[in-house]
Amino acid sequence: GNSVTQMEGPVTLSEEAFLTINCTYTATGYPSLFWYVQYPGEGLQLLLKATKADDKGSNKGFEATYRKETTSFHLEKGSVQVSDSAVYFCALHSGNTPLVFGKGTRLSVIA
Amino acid sequence: ETGVTQSPTHLIKTRGQQVTLRCSSQSGHNTVSWYQQALGQGPQFIFQYYREEENGRGNFPPRFSGLQFPNYSSELNVNALELDDSALYLCATGTSGRRPQETQYFGPGTRLLVL
Repeated sequence: GNSVTQMEGPVTLSEEAFLTINCTYTATGYPSLFWYVQYPGEGLQLLLKATKADDKGSNKGFEATYRKETTSFHLEKGSVQVSDSAVYFCALHSGNTPLVFGKGTRLSVIA
Repeated sequence: ETGVTQSPTHLIKTRGQQVTLRCSSQSGHNTVSWYQQALGQGPQFIFQYYREEENGRGNFPPRFSGLQFPNYSSELNVNALELDDSALYLCATGTSGRRPQETQYFGPGTRLLVL
């Protein structure tokens, strides 16, 4: 079945540091890939998505590239801010199946 | 903000009780999915409704049931509550089924505590 594996947290970074959160997937067919963010006490917000191989999703300075050869969709940001502190979820959607999420990675950015 | 609202925001129940959670979808969205997010975990798919009919179900027992109304709002009902049902319950709305490229919009969730 479909599954998503993302790096375990928590990840603690200083402001302006470079961020990478790794995500790999297993899926049948041709999945669409997503990153969702969950701020403290809130629901999930779509951060970015990519629907086919080599697509790059980007939003708010975050980027992720759909790599079919390595079945990966790593999230990156060049310079994190305190306001980026949240839990980040990698997810996939394939065929007629529902969204499948990873376990989430908690990011804490300190000033 | 997504325009998806959920009520109540928090709820405390005891084992064996029943609970109803509600979700109002974003305008124009005819699909609603419900997810359970246990503490420290990613959301797990419970079921989806499309045009008032169940359109897929995850690995949850029958005591988890739902409804979708003509205005596309939705309810999640859980009977015979168990301690492990304590979680954040999220609804997500979208358009026309579960195509891979469809984006789902999540509500803020209802946090349920079962004592």
